[in-house]
Amino acid sequence: SQQGEEDPQALSIQEGENATMNCSYKTSINNLQWYRQNSGRGLVHLILIRSNEREKHSGRLRVTLDTSKKSSSLLITASRAADTASYFCATGAITGNQFYFGTGTSLTVIP
Amino acid sequence: KAGVTQTPRYLIKTRGQQVTLSCSPISGHRSVSWYQQTPGQGLQFLFEYFSETQRNKGNFPGRFSGRQFSNSRSEMNVSTLELGDSALYLCASKLLATGDSTNEKLFFGSGTQLSVL
Repeated sequence: SQQGEEDPQALSIQEGENATMNCSYKTSINNLQWYRQNSGRGLVHLILIRSNEREKHSGRLRVTLDTSKKSSSLLITASRAADTASYFCATGAITGNQFYFGTGTSLTVIP
Repeated sequence: KAGVTQTPRYLIKTRGQQVTLSCSPISGHRSVSWYQQTPGQGLQFLFEYFSETQRNKGNFPGRFSGRQFSNSRSEMNVSTLELGDSALYLCASKLLATGDSTNEKLFFGSGTQLSVL
């Protein structure tokens, strides 16, 4: 399978704490994206990092990318109860037009 | 601008029946992809259409098919339903623009929850 894998599968933290989730993938990529999914709904795009970038910030989100290790991490700072959701990484392959999604990290932020 | 619209939102079918799901992409988006999401398997890519042509196909049996119309709206069809086809089916559209990866992000609909009894 060319899917990525997120780690951990589930994460539970207190409001105000930081949440870190990791993604590993297998193929050479053009970019890597993170999406959020609230229960039973569609996915919402959070942030995209290109293969020639190492770190990117957007609000309370910080994404890093290590192409030599084929891994990425998503850091959510000062978490809120509204951040409770599942988070997925998606890799865009250099060839072809499809995206491969990981299996997701389920984040629970306790108020 | 309206988002990606999927209909119906919920569907209950019995084994052996067939089903057709519909997806209307964001206006101007020409690429439409379909994904199957199940608790155990995560998101699995089904196929992608662009300008009425299937460009990529995932590893699913021939019972799963799709098409795209000239207005970019897409449908997917599952014939001879099996219990294992119960899943959330997600459609995503993308604005295709060469040379700019910022336009490669996917916009998802809310999905169609299919239950096969």
